[in-house]
Amino acid sequence: GENVEQHPSTLSVQEGDSAVIKCTYSDSASNYFPWYKQELGKGPQLIIDIRSNVGEKKDQRIAVTLNKTAKHFSLHITETQPEDSAVYFCAEGEHGGSQGNLIFGKGTKLSVKP
Amino acid sequence: GAVVSQHPSWVICKSGTSVKIECRSLDFQATTMFWYRQFPKQSLMLMATSNEGSKATYEQGVEKDKFLINHASLTLSTLTVTSAHPEDSSFYICSATTELNTEAFFGQGTRLTVV
Repeated sequence: GENVEQHPSTLSVQEGDSAVIKCTYSDSASNYFPWYKQELGKGPQLIIDIRSNVGEKKDQRIAVTLNKTAKHFSLHITETQPEDSAVYFCAEGEHGGSQGNLIFGKGTKLSVKP
Repeated sequence: GAVVSQHPSWVICKSGTSVKIECRSLDFQATTMFWYRQFPKQSLMLMATSNEGSKATYEQGVEKDKFLINHASLTLSTLTVTSAHPEDSSFYICSATTELNTEAFFGQGTRLTVV
């Protein structure tokens, strides 16, 4: 079945450094790849997403890259700040149909040390 | 962006009782709503997909008679945990997609504790 592998499970960086989280997927039909930030006790919040017709997308300090051939996509956060500390989940849209039917990675707990 | 409101944000109930969780799309019509369960320090696991006016589609291993889903309108879906047991304690999260089906918007989650 579909599967999303996410690495690392925990990541600690110094404030101002960059953070990179990587995900791989198995379903070649997937064409929607969102990233969510989840703070303790709250629901996931979409921070950036990418569709399979592009290879990179950037929004201020956040960027996502997609390599469809290798079936992996990555989240890049530059100039990290303490408020970036949270759990980040990657996900893939199943069969490119309903974008809401998502398969999630296991999450990465990011800690940004001041 | 679109807002999805979930209520209650937390609930404590006794074993054997039923609990209803509401998921509302506040400023858009949600053609499809999804219910997830998240155990501590784990990922979100899809429980069921709900389309307005039709029966929910449950994922393998999810008991449809225990987790009753109703999606009576384009702005409201409810999840009822029937005869709750301590092992049902979890964080339940809903999401909704718009009629354009471009992205999913998540509610803030409901922390259920069964004692």
